[in-house]
Amino acid sequence: QIQLVQSGPVLKKPGETVKISCKASGYTFTNYGMNWVKQAPGKVLKWMGWINTYNGESTYADDFKGRSAFSLETSASTAYLQINNLKNEDMATYFCAREDFSWFAYWGQGTLVTVSA
Amino acid sequence: DIQMTQSPASLSASVGETVTITCRVSENIYSYLAWYQQKQGKSPQLLVYNAKTLAEGVPSRFSGSGSGTQFSLKINSLQPEDFGSYYCQHHYGTPRTFGGGTKLEIK
Repeated sequence: QIQLVQSGPVLKKPGETVKISCKASGYTFTNYGMNWVKQAPGKVLKWMGWINTYNGESTYADDFKGRSAFSLETSASTAYLQINNLKNEDMATYFCAREDFSWFAYWGQGTLVTVSA
Repeated sequence: DIQMTQSPASLSASVGETVTITCRVSENIYSYLAWYQQKQGKSPQLLVYNAKTLAEGVPSRFSGSGSGTQFSLKINSLQPEDFGSYYCQHHYGTPRTFGGGTKLEIK
């Protein structure tokens, strides 16, 4: 069955870097793009962008340009989200979600990033 | 960017009732709209795509309608497992904006 399994919760200090993984299984990884979605505590879903798993090209929402970066390890069917120079407002749960013809039928379980000095 | 306005922001209903959530979009997105359900502490689950197509495994008491700039999600005969938050999202280009969400609670 199709699964997206994300890495576990992390605690980081302001200014540090976090890298979250999303390992896909049950399908051909390079056939479907991968999206990233942020949900701050008690807040709504916010689309961060997506990465084309075939050619590695990334598209970022305006609010996430600069400190966020998507990457791939295709041989391991894994997508990554890296956020540099963490700020308090980066504290959130981050989800990966498979691009199914433009909607998101499969989601990871989410990774909680806590930012605290 | 396309703006998504959901209403109501919250809704209280009883088991067995019928409820409707609406999503107004700032520009014509034809039928490129999806609905998701999210329960507390869980990842969102796709309910509807292309405005009215039910995702696999979604009960038939859910239905989506609309096109252009006005959409709705209707839930007939509410069940206990239907309570949670609901989000609309357009899938017409990028950025893939979500609506502000509707929290459906038990009365």
